[in-house]
Amino acid sequence: DAGVIQSPRHEVTEMGQEVTLRCKPISGHNSLFWYRQTMMRGLELLIYFNNNVPIDDSGMPEDRFSAKMPNASFSTLKIQPSEPRDSAVYFCASSFGLAVTDTQYFGPGTRLTVL
Amino acid sequence: DAKTTQPPSMDCAEGRAANLPCNHSTISGNEYVYWYRQIHSQGPQYIIHGLKNNETNEMASLIITEDRKSSTLILPHATLRDTAVYYCIGLNYGGSQGNLIFGKGTKLSVKP
Repeated sequence: DAGVIQSPRHEVTEMGQEVTLRCKPISGHNSLFWYRQTMMRGLELLIYFNNNVPIDDSGMPEDRFSAKMPNASFSTLKIQPSEPRDSAVYFCASSFGLAVTDTQYFGPGTRLTVL
Repeated sequence: DAKTTQPPSMDCAEGRAANLPCNHSTISGNEYVYWYRQIHSQGPQYIIHGLKNNETNEMASLIITEDRKSSTLILPHATLRDTAVYYCIGLNYGGSQGNLIFGKGTKLSVKP
């Protein structure tokens, strides 16, 4: 039973380049979440979707960040242009739904380094 | 959602029970207490959650005080692999998973 799949696991890029992070949620899950983790700010929710529709993107830091969910089995988080302060570990999580009792399951994360 | 307070770090001897406290004095009657943990370099992992009654699963036990102002996560026989940051989170029944907010947690170190 595959869990949440994220790719790539590591990404090193130069400032100004476009970065695309990918996530495949657990099959049958209808909600998907993108988080960012840094030493300074801890684990922060960026955006989440329900049934492929963005519900709350208030955590997205600025217009350089965008997320899409074109279908139930795939989501992307794009940063364009990337900056060194975007360096962090980005986690994707999925849950059956948004109910409080619908547990979130996290992927292994993508470690992004922007030089 | 209730603000939770946890000690920043704890040590536990391997094989002994690890008791991780969480204070949530502002919790409301319809607010769940969730526990997650994050092992180094991995994504957070769900452990257990409860509302009023004590809960137990294959990973841990959750003891919630009668006044619901605090709780304790118990790992009955800690192993080195239980070394991780443990997060206690309050989540309102009327809210959603979008309200899951991770604080600083407790860094548990299990020592041989």
